[in-house]
Amino acid sequence: KQEVTQIPAALSVPEGENLVLNCSFTDSAIYNLQWFRQDPGKGLTSLLLIQSSQREQTSGRLNASLDKSSGRSTLYIAASQPGDSATYLCAVDDSNSGYALNFGKGTSLLVTP
Amino acid sequence: EAGVAQSPRYKIIEKRQSVAFWCNPISGHATLYWYQQILGQGPKLLIQFQNNGVVDDSQLPKDRFSAERLKGVDSTLKIQPAKLEDSAVYLCASSFGQNTGELFFGEGSRLTVL
Repeated sequence: KQEVTQIPAALSVPEGENLVLNCSFTDSAIYNLQWFRQDPGKGLTSLLLIQSSQREQTSGRLNASLDKSSGRSTLYIAASQPGDSATYLCAVDDSNSGYALNFGKGTSLLVTP
Repeated sequence: EAGVAQSPRYKIIEKRQSVAFWCNPISGHATLYWYQQILGQGPKLLIQFQNNGVVDDSQLPKDRFSAERLKGVDSTLKIQPAKLEDSAVYLCASSFGQNTGELFFGEGSRLTVL
């Protein structure tokens, strides 16, 4: 079964800082890795999808990388803003469950003004 | 483009009562998922449908939970009888196909069991 771990569990940074969120997974035979954002009381918003043949994806101030062989992904947020405060979830598909996404517990990010 | 629709958004019931949640996926999405998210945890897959067939329901507590997607479009998740530990947010998601792209989530249905 695919296990997903996210480090750190919580992070507090001052506005303007660049930051990195980490995700590791146990089974490297994946098709997709997806990063999501979740605001309190809300559903999940897709940020970036990386397919197994890709090494990275970028969207605005966000950059996600994938190293399948080592079972790792990072989400880089440049020039953080208070509006970036949310929980960030990493999810990786699991061949044992029809390639549905398995989620980590998330990193809770607080960006202070 | 309309997103994934879920209802109700909130539900409070007593233990041993029943509850049903409804989901309408994005038009054209063949794959539909129900996830359970307990406070402070990541979502956990309950069941995955491909059209109206079940792909995986290994983590669905079948003694109390049931789900159907009769016409391959919208889906219903039912809990009967509910337990205190079923208090969670039930998230519905859809994708174009299995392992073929992004998952899109609804706003979720928050269940409180008293």
